Amino acid sequence: SAVISQKPSRDICQRGTSLTIQCQVDSQVTMMFWYRQQPGQSLTLIATANQGSEATYESGFVIDKFPISRPNLTFSTLTVSNMSPEDSSIYLCSVSRDQEETQYFGPGTRLLVL
Amino acid sequence: GENVEQHPSTLSVQEGDSAVIKCTYSDSASNYFPWYKQELGKRPQLIIDIRSNVGEKKDQRIAVTLNKTAKHFSLHITETQPEDSAVYFCAATLAAGYQKVTFGTGTKLQVIP
Repeated sequence: SAVISQKPSRDICQRGTSLTIQCQVDSQVTMMFWYRQQPGQSLTLIATANQGSEATYESGFVIDKFPISRPNLTFSTLTVSNMSPEDSSIYLCSVSRDQEETQYFGPGTRLLVL
Repeated sequence: GENVEQHPSTLSVQEGDSAVIKCTYSDSASNYFPWYKQELGKRPQLIIDIRSNVGEKKDQRIAVTLNKTAKHFSLHITETQPEDSAVYFCAATLAAGYQKVTFGTGTKLQVIP
């Protein structure tokens, strides 16, 4: 499986500000995804990060709130914009390789919004 | 879209006993079913998966069974150990190109020494 890292690992932010989370993979991967995991909850897909084109967002998530970039096959960013306490959560990136269904997760970013 | 239900939400077993977690899915087209283990403060990690062309798969103390007709699949852990304590998530997807993975709600397993 790929080695996946995320930065920052955790952060405490003030409401109204924005935070950009980075996801780096040690090898090229076809698919990259961003999930949110609220405390004690399951994994909710925010969007699929598409290399060279706009991300594909799931119902309930919009680009203005969660802009995503994917400049190449090993890197993606998720920005949480104009944060409110309801955005306090763990944000995870995941990846899958071409011809593989399995997704592998990064270590996550723990975000607390005050 | 796909809907995955998972039961129970919490499970406590004595060390050495078996644990069973059950999931049902709604989309009969789904054909790939991974299970993830998430320890406290850690990332979800794949522990076993099964494809719809088989009914059972085993890996040491872990096994997964699949009933395509009934659209349910189960995780079996035998001879449980304290390090098995974690939250377990089942998931379902269609393994054809990229399809969204739908996760169950999770089962918190506690193994009591």
